[in-house]
Amino acid sequence: AQSVTQLDSQVPVFEEAPVELRCNYSSSVSVYLFWYVQYPNQGLQLLLKYLSGSTLVKGINGFEAEFNKSQTSFHLRKPSVHISDTAEYFCAVAPGYSSASKIIFGSGTRLSIRP
Amino acid sequence: EAGVTQFPSHSVIEKGQTVTLRCDPISGHDNLYWYRRVMGKEIKFLLHFVKESKQDESGMPNNRFLAERTGGTYSTLKVQPAELEDSGVYFCASRGQSSYEQYFGPGTRLTVT
Repeated sequence: AQSVTQLDSQVPVFEEAPVELRCNYSSSVSVYLFWYVQYPNQGLQLLLKYLSGSTLVKGINGFEAEFNKSQTSFHLRKPSVHISDTAEYFCAVAPGYSSASKIIFGSGTRLSIRP
Repeated sequence: EAGVTQFPSHSVIEKGQTVTLRCDPISGHDNLYWYRRVMGKEIKFLLHFVKESKQDESGMPNNRFLAERTGGTYSTLKVQPAELEDSGVYFCASRGQSSYEQYFGPGTRLTVT
């Protein structure tokens, strides 16, 4: 079985400051890793994904994440945030042996940007 | 290409009533998933259809929940009778056969009073 832990439920940062949203997972099998974002009053949108290959993954809106197998982490980073990045961010995993697998989500991190 | 759509966007019902949620996947997507997020907790998997067949329904909480996907197109999720703890946001997602990405709809916010 897989599980995901998002260590921070809320992260307040100032505009143009860097941000890191932390995510750790546990799994007995290889996994696919995802970050989803939910902007206010909208659905979930895929920000980026790691399936295989390079451990540094770049996504939309200037976000990137690094897969660290030894630390079982997949932290999300952005060097300079904007007001428009205000949203809730979800880290998620799926077993890597099947593309049909259900996604297992973390509890979410609310990112609030202060001007 | 139209995305995943869900109807209604918001439903408020009383305990004991019945509610039916609808999901229209992206055209051509055989895989359809239902997820639920209850009050600030994590988003949890409910079930997975491949075309009209239930591939995995391990996340369905109890027999008050009934999901269908007749004809392998849109899907409905019925809650009967609704209980207070059923309140939350119900998400639908669809996926194409050769893709790993699930595309999510905007969700239906269900409030049971």
